[in-house]
Amino acid sequence: QQQVKQSPQSLIVQKGGISIINCAYENTAFDYFPWYQQFPGKGPALLIAIRPDVSEKKEGRFTISFNKSAKQFSLHIMDSQPGDSATYFCAARDQAGTALIFGKGTTLSVSS
Amino acid sequence: KAGVTQTPRYLIKTRGQQVTLSCSPISGHRSVSWYQQTPGQGLQFLFEYFSETQRNKGNFPGRFSGRQFSNSRSEMNVSTLELGDSALYLCASSVSGGGYTFGSGTRLTVV
Repeated sequence: QQQVKQSPQSLIVQKGGISIINCAYENTAFDYFPWYQQFPGKGPALLIAIRPDVSEKKEGRFTISFNKSAKQFSLHIMDSQPGDSATYFCAARDQAGTALIFGKGTTLSVSS
Repeated sequence: KAGVTQTPRYLIKTRGQQVTLSCSPISGHRSVSWYQQTPGQGLQFLFEYFSETQRNKGNFPGRFSGRQFSNSRSEMNVSTLELGDSALYLCASSVSGGGYTFGSGTRLTVV
């Protein structure tokens, strides 16, 4: 089944805290898992991505943790800043390798 | 390096009309995909083109169509517009698929 489930729907974090967003998928043929960040009035921007042969990938304050057996992956934003306030989408690339299946999104608000 | 350019940014159309949206990918990118974004359904894949050929198509009615030109620029067309077609239409490009860079989208309102 082509589906990616994302939680929570919204998240409020204090400045300097850790933001955690979770996603789960069902199709074991998915082979690429990106996270996108979207600000109002803009298109989604690629943040970080991981392939299923890697359990963790870190880029600056952003880390993806990937659990292949559980079919889950998560985004951790360390030292969250007000500028991180945006909507975050997880996604998985489909079997054809040409389409992204997106989660429903998480609206993150970082309070100062 | 210029990003993905979508035109127009905003569009208002009447039910029953048709509309054409344009997308210029990043130079050197041969894969162009289209997505529909709505508050209720989120981001949904419409179709993907590579070297002027449609490689993949999402679960949308035949009123939604697209094409890609030899310079990789792409257009999507929606015929017989319905109120439910109101959405942000996003174009994304990549070198060959995956790792897509999105444009800012075209906001279509159907009245």
